[in-house]
Amino acid sequence: EDQVTQSPEALRLQEGESSSLNCSYTVSGLRGLFWYRQDPGKGPEFLFTLYSAGEEKEKERLKATLTKKESFLHITAPKPEDSATYLCAVRGPGGGNKLTFGTGTQLKVEL
Amino acid sequence: EAGVTQFPSHSVIEKGQTVTLRCDPISGHDNLYWYRRVMGKEIKFLLHFVKESKQDESGMPNNRFLAERTGGTYSTLKVQPAELEDSGVYFCASSLRQGPTDTQYFGPGTRLTVL
Repeated sequence: EDQVTQSPEALRLQEGESSSLNCSYTVSGLRGLFWYRQDPGKGPEFLFTLYSAGEEKEKERLKATLTKKESFLHITAPKPEDSATYLCAVRGPGGGNKLTFGTGTQLKVEL
Repeated sequence: EAGVTQFPSHSVIEKGQTVTLRCDPISGHDNLYWYRRVMGKEIKFLLHFVKESKQDESGMPNNRFLAERTGGTYSTLKVQPAELEDSGVYFCASSLRQGPTDTQYFGPGTRLTVL
C-alpha cells in the first residue's frame, strides 16, 4: 500500500526565513508526486508534479525536488501570503489515477 | 474558465438522514474523482469516474455511499443513511486525461456534519 509521510506537521517562519518541507513516500512504481497548497476553507490548489528522481520545478518562491524516497518543497524568503497547508500526494502503479495524500504541513509566515 | 464547483458548501444532518452532494467538474474533463477528509486525517480517495463509468471505486467505505455520474457531466454522492463517522470534508476533483500527465484539480469541498 502506498504511504506518504510529511514533516514537520507545523512550521512557523519569520518573513524572509527560508526553509524546507519534507515528504517521504513508499510506493512501488511512482507515477507522479504532487504538491498542493490548501488555504483554510478551500480545496487543494495544484502546485507541481514531479516524475523522476533528480527532477526539480520552481514557481515564484517555491522549489520542489524529488529523490527516490522523498521530496522537498523549498521556500525561499517566504512572505505572509505563503501561509497555508502544503500537501504532498503520490500516484502509484497500475492503471488507476487515485492519489494517496500525506497529512500536510501547516506553514505560518509571520512579519 | 470555471473551476470545479461543489454544492452545498456545508451540510448539517441528523444521523440516519440522507444527504446528496453534487460536483460539477471543469468543462471537458472526462475524469472525476471523489475524496474525503475526516477530522485529523489525510485526504483519502473514494472513487474515480471516466465519463459516466466507474473506473475505480476501491475507496468507497461501504454500501451506504452511492456515487453517480449520469451523462458524464456532473456527479452526485449520496450517503444513506448517514452515520456519525461520515462527518468530514468531501472533495471532488477533475482531470482532462488519464496517464502520466494527468493533473487533478480540486473543488472547494462540502463540509458534512452528522449529528
